[in-house]
Amino acid sequence: GAGVSQSPSNKVTEKGKDVELRCDPISGHTALYWYRQSLGQGLEFLIYFQGNSAPDKSGLPSDRFSAERTGGSVSTLTIQRTQQEDSAVYLCASSFGGASNEQFFGPGTRLTVL
Amino acid sequence: GEDVEQSLFLSVREGDSSVINCTYTDSSSTYLYWYKQEPGAGLQLLTYIFSNMDMKQDQRLTVLLNKKDKHLSLRIADTQTGDSAIYFCAERGAGKSTFGDGTTLTVKP
Repeated sequence: GAGVSQSPSNKVTEKGKDVELRCDPISGHTALYWYRQSLGQGLEFLIYFQGNSAPDKSGLPSDRFSAERTGGSVSTLTIQRTQQEDSAVYLCASSFGGASNEQFFGPGTRLTVL
Repeated sequence: GEDVEQSLFLSVREGDSSVINCTYTDSSSTYLYWYKQEPGAGLQLLTYIFSNMDMKQDQRLTVLLNKKDKHLSLRIADTQTGDSAIYFCAERGAGKSTFGDGTTLTVKP
């Protein structure tokens, strides 16, 4: 079956521009996560959606970052006024609710800010 | 906040056992995970252990958990060149996971 998909796979943008990254989770998964992986680093948690609950935004690094999840399915991560330090691979994952449930990761979007 | 630490590099010879270690700080962690990331590929869940267990074995993989010391290890028996990858330790309570920076495992023929 279809896994988690993300688009675009690569995005090159100029400093100061806004970007939108999209995540299509696995159908039926109630939880959706965004992580960021900088070069040579581990995964940095950004934001977590679970069902209709208020999202856990505790990992967002600044107010330039925001995310939405429409209709409990597709999610968009928006970065406003991009900076060079935003360059990273942005990974989306989805799961059924609950900590025991495996997170399935998408292939990521590689963002390069020039 | 929560923190997960791993050594950054490990090099072994093909056929030897590999042991990758991880420490974490969140005592409320309910699940601990090992993920594998191959070059250019996404994260793949290898195995996980519930916090009330101290060992889990799955074919060539053995996970040991010392909850008192908050120490987790992954042993790969008979390591093969195809095991070369970055291995991430992660802990999870309710909701988000906290990941280590990954251990790059290099397997020499």
